[in-house]
Amino acid sequence: AQSVTQLGSHVSVSEGALVLLRCNYSSSVPPYLFWYVQYPNQGLQLLLKYTSAATLVKGINGFEAEFKKSETSFHLTKPSAHMSDAAEYFCAVSGEETGGFKTIFGAGTRLFVKA
Amino acid sequence: GAGVSQSPSNKVTEKGKDVELRCDPISGHTALYWYRQSLGQGLEFLIYFQGNSAPDKSGLPSDRFSAERTGGSVSTLTIQRTQQEDSAVYLCASSNRDRGPYEQYFGPGTRLTVT
Repeated sequence: AQSVTQLGSHVSVSEGALVLLRCNYSSSVPPYLFWYVQYPNQGLQLLLKYTSAATLVKGINGFEAEFKKSETSFHLTKPSAHMSDAAEYFCAVSGEETGGFKTIFGAGTRLFVKA
Repeated sequence: GAGVSQSPSNKVTEKGKDVELRCDPISGHTALYWYRQSLGQGLEFLIYFQGNSAPDKSGLPSDRFSAERTGGSVSTLTIQRTQQEDSAVYLCASSNRDRGPYEQYFGPGTRLTVT
């Protein structure tokens, strides 16, 4: 069965520093992978998605993620953190193994950005 | 275009009362999902509807929870005899397979507080 593990429930970085949020997945078939962001008191918003077209995926707000099959990872990065990046980030996996439309979400990583 | 909408945005109810939460998906989206997000927790899958197929109810936590989707569009999540542990944010999402691999569009959520 497909699953997602996000390493670290909380990550704190200084403004301008590199952001790295870790995500590992488990899947017996080629997965579709997603990163969603949730700002306070809002629903989730898609940051980026991997669909097998390219291993390095660029998303909104300067975020990108790299699919590494050998490491079963899909870590999210941003070169320079901004105060507005403070939010909760969810990694998710989907595909035929989850029954087609079902998506499995990780537990989330809350990002804090210090001035 | 219009996104996913949910109503009410906030609901306070007394323990033992029934509540109904409404979700209006994006027009034309064939799949609709309900999730529960408790304070500091990730997304807990509740139920999903896909077209005219029987819904996947595998995530409903008890028989006090039910959901229906009328005419393949609007959905209502009903919680009977509410308990304090039902307090959470209930998120609705919809997706259209034709627009990409299972990408979901989320509503802003309904915050339910059971007193």
